[in-house]
Amino acid sequence: ELHLVESGGNWAQPGGSLRLSCAASGFTFSDDTFNWVRQVPGKGLEWIAHVGLYTQNIHYADSVLGRFTVSRDNARHLIFLQMHNLRDEDTGVYSCASGLTFLDHWGQGVRVTVSS
Amino acid sequence: DIVLTQTALSSPVTLGQPASISCRSSESLVGRSGNTHLSWLQQRPGQPPRLLIYDVSKRLSGVPDRFSGSGAVTDFTLRISRVEAEDVGVYYCMQATHFPRSFGQGTEVEIK
Repeated sequence: ELHLVESGGNWAQPGGSLRLSCAASGFTFSDDTFNWVRQVPGKGLEWIAHVGLYTQNIHYADSVLGRFTVSRDNARHLIFLQMHNLRDEDTGVYSCASGLTFLDHWGQGVRVTVSS
Repeated sequence: DIVLTQTALSSPVTLGQPASISCRSSESLVGRSGNTHLSWLQQRPGQPPRLLIYDVSKRLSGVPDRFSGSGAVTDFTLRISRVEAEDVGVYYCMQATHFPRSFGQGTEVEIK
């Protein structure tokens, strides 16, 4: 069964940086695409990034464009979200989810807190 | 960017009764291939989201058949034929026809 496990969640000051990782297991990693989705506690879901089979196929939400970078390491079955210039409103639980036209597997998520 | 707007349930639902949630898109979700990539996810308290329905009406393996999806173009509906206690949670529609992807704001299902 497909398993996604996020790590790297932490506290950061506004303007700071964090790098999240998502480890995938239980399927053919190179055949799947991945997304990062965040959720402010008590609020809804916000899609923020997608990485396709090839790193040329990458998309971002406007709210993170130019500040966040998504990437993948097919050899190590890892997906990354590098976050720079963090803002208070980036606080939330970040989850990775697999899929292109629907998101069928989700990790439990990691908490990112941005505050001074 | 596409905005998905969900309706709120008017009141808590009685066990065994049906419930319907509507999702309206600001633009057509019909893709160049002719497919419509509108899905429904359930989020139980303290849990990550779980995919129920994809491509408007296709039920994921293992999802009870009391869940069904319908609709086309910009208007979509998730129906629960007979609500059970385990259905409590927040339901989201999501479009994956266009980038950036987007979710509806969520609809909470509560039991009376």
